[in-house]
Amino acid sequence: EAGVAQSPRYKIIEKRQSVAFWCNPISGHATLYWYQQILGQGPKLLIQFQNNGVVDDSQLPKDRFSAERLKGVDSTLKIQPAKLEDSAVYLCASSFGTTGGAFFGQGTRLTVV
Amino acid sequence: GNSVTQMEGPVTLSEEAFLTINCTYTATGYPSLFWYVQYPGEGLQLLLKATKADDKGSNKGFEATYRKETTSFHLEKGSVQVSDSAVYFCGSGSRLTFGEGTQLTVNP
Repeated sequence: EAGVAQSPRYKIIEKRQSVAFWCNPISGHATLYWYQQILGQGPKLLIQFQNNGVVDDSQLPKDRFSAERLKGVDSTLKIQPAKLEDSAVYLCASSFGTTGGAFFGQGTRLTVV
Repeated sequence: GNSVTQMEGPVTLSEEAFLTINCTYTATGYPSLFWYVQYPGEGLQLLLKATKADDKGSNKGFEATYRKETTSFHLEKGSVQVSDSAVYFCGSGSRLTFGEGTQLTVNP
C-alpha cells in the first residue's frame, strides 16, 4: 500500500516570497491533516480536513497561510508571504477515521532566508 | 481542547536498560491516545495506540496503558536497544494533539 506522498522534500525561499506544498494521502482516507514542526518541538496542527470540508483551522495563520483539498483527495498548503519564523518541517498525515491514528508523510523542510 | 504533556528530555540509557517516558493528557471525555516515533530525517510513525480506558497498546516490545484515573499514558520498554534511539511523541484525540517530544539515546 502506498503511503502519504509529499512534495517537495526541501524548499529554500527568501522572505516575502510564496511557496506551496502538495500532499497525496493514502487512498480511501477521508481525514487529512497538515502540521508545522519547528526544530526541537512537537508537531502543531495547522488544519484538519474531513473529505473536502475543514474540521479545524483554529491554529492556521490565515493572514498568510491557506490550504485546500479539492475533491476530497489531494491537498495543497500555501504560504504567502513567507516569514523567517515559517522555517520548519511541514507534515501531512491522513487517516481513515479519527480514532485509529494517522499515517504521516516524510514532510517538506522549508527554509526561509 | 486537548493537551498533552511529556516528561522533559532528553533521555540517555545504556542498552538493555528499562525505559519509561511519561505522558499525561487533559481532555473532555476519553480521547484515543497514541505514541509515535520519529527517526532522524523521517516522518512520524505510529508506534502504538489505545482507544479506551484500561486498554494496553503494545508494539515492538513497547507498551502503554490508558489510565483514566491518573490521565496518563506512559510508554515503557523492558530492554532498550541502540536501534530504539529516536524522538518519541505522545498524542491525543481526533485532532491528534502532540506533546513536545522526548529524545531517547541508547548507548551500546
